[in-house]
Amino acid sequence: AQTVTQSQPEMSVQEAETVTLSCTYDTSESDYYLFWYKQPPSRQMILVIRQEAYKQQNATENRFSVNFQKAAKSFSLKISDSQLGDAAMYFCAPPSGTYKYIFGTGTRLKVLA
Amino acid sequence: DVKVTQSSRYLVKRTGEKVFLECVQDMDHENMFWYRQDPGLGLRLIYFSYDVKMKEKGDIPEGYSVSREKKERFSLILESASTNQTSMYLCASSQGPIYFGPGTRLTVT
Repeated sequence: AQTVTQSQPEMSVQEAETVTLSCTYDTSESDYYLFWYKQPPSRQMILVIRQEAYKQQNATENRFSVNFQKAAKSFSLKISDSQLGDAAMYFCAPPSGTYKYIFGTGTRLKVLA
Repeated sequence: DVKVTQSSRYLVKRTGEKVFLECVQDMDHENMFWYRQDPGLGLRLIYFSYDVKMKEKGDIPEGYSVSREKKERFSLILESASTNQTSMYLCASSQGPIYFGPGTRLTVT
């Protein structure tokens, strides 16, 4: 069965510091995408970053980057130079089938001024 | 930008009522989804549609049905609402990354 684990229900980071959110998963898909989504309080879910599994290079999107280890089925999100606006729930989303994705239970990130 | 809209942000219904949640996307995506979001449980897939009139059950389809008569529109139906269906409902569409609507917070009393 496809599974995903976000082992950190909540994390805190000081403004301007770096934080890493972890995600491990299991999938039988061989060629797939993985995503990180951000959901600010009472606001819409938005895509933060995506990684193509066949690419060895880790994806980067401004202050957001991933550490993707396909063999270990690990997909962590690093946020550099954290800002107050980064405070949100973050969800990891690996595939659960063709065109379908399974979402983790989320990590609530608090950014301390 | 992809836009996914949902008919209501907040909805209050009574137990036993038939409830329709509507979702429209404007990017001609083949795939559309209905998720339910509950604290501590993350997002759980209710139904998935990969084409007009095509649907597939997700992880928690019991008590729900869906309709997709047009490519851009995907409806979630609660045949007889119950209090345990009080939740946040998220619609999404995809042709690669998933794009979400703003959500409908449904309360069943």
